[in-house]
Amino acid sequence: SAVISQKPSRDICQRGTSLTIQCQVDSQVTMMFWYRQQPGQSLTLIATANQGSEATYESGFVIDKFPISRPNLTFSTLTVSNMSPEDSSIYLCSVGGTSTDTQYFGPGTRLTVL
Amino acid sequence: EDKVVQSPLSLVVHEGDTVTLNCSYEVTNFRSLLWYKQEKKAPTFLFMLTSSGIEKKSGRLSSILDKKELFSILNITATQTGDSAIYLCAVLGSNDYKLSFGAGTTVTVRA
Repeated sequence: SAVISQKPSRDICQRGTSLTIQCQVDSQVTMMFWYRQQPGQSLTLIATANQGSEATYESGFVIDKFPISRPNLTFSTLTVSNMSPEDSSIYLCSVGGTSTDTQYFGPGTRLTVL
Repeated sequence: EDKVVQSPLSLVVHEGDTVTLNCSYEVTNFRSLLWYKQEKKAPTFLFMLTSSGIEKKSGRLSSILDKKELFSILNITATQTGDSAIYLCAVLGSNDYKLSFGAGTTVTVRA
């Protein structure tokens, strides 16, 4: 399976600020996704990061709040904009390929907004 | 909308016990069902199931899928304290590659 890294591992931020999370994969992958896990909840898909085009967002998530970049097949960023305490969550990137349904997750970013 | 229901939501067992976790689903055009173990932040992959009746096994963990009754079970035998975690079930449906997750089962194994 691919080796996935995320930066930062954790951060504490003030409300109204923005944080950009990076996801790096050690090999080229077709599919990259961003998930959010709020405290005590399961994982919810934010968006599919598309290489070379705009991300595809799930219902309830918008580009202005969660802009995503994917400049190539090994890297993506998720920005959490104008943060509020409700954005305190674990943010996870995952990767998969069109030849397999298996998805692997990065180590996650634990975000706390004060 | 795809729906994944896990039960129980939590359970506490003693070392050496066997646990059975359940996952039922309703998805459009089912493709596969995946099980993950989450201890801290990142879910780690356990199994992917696509065919009914074929048991997947890894050490003390095993899983099987029933596509007729739309459910899967994950068994852990001879549990150890290191098995304490949240176990997540997820399904892939339609023609996309997006996972829909259940709420998870929190397993606590006491020494």
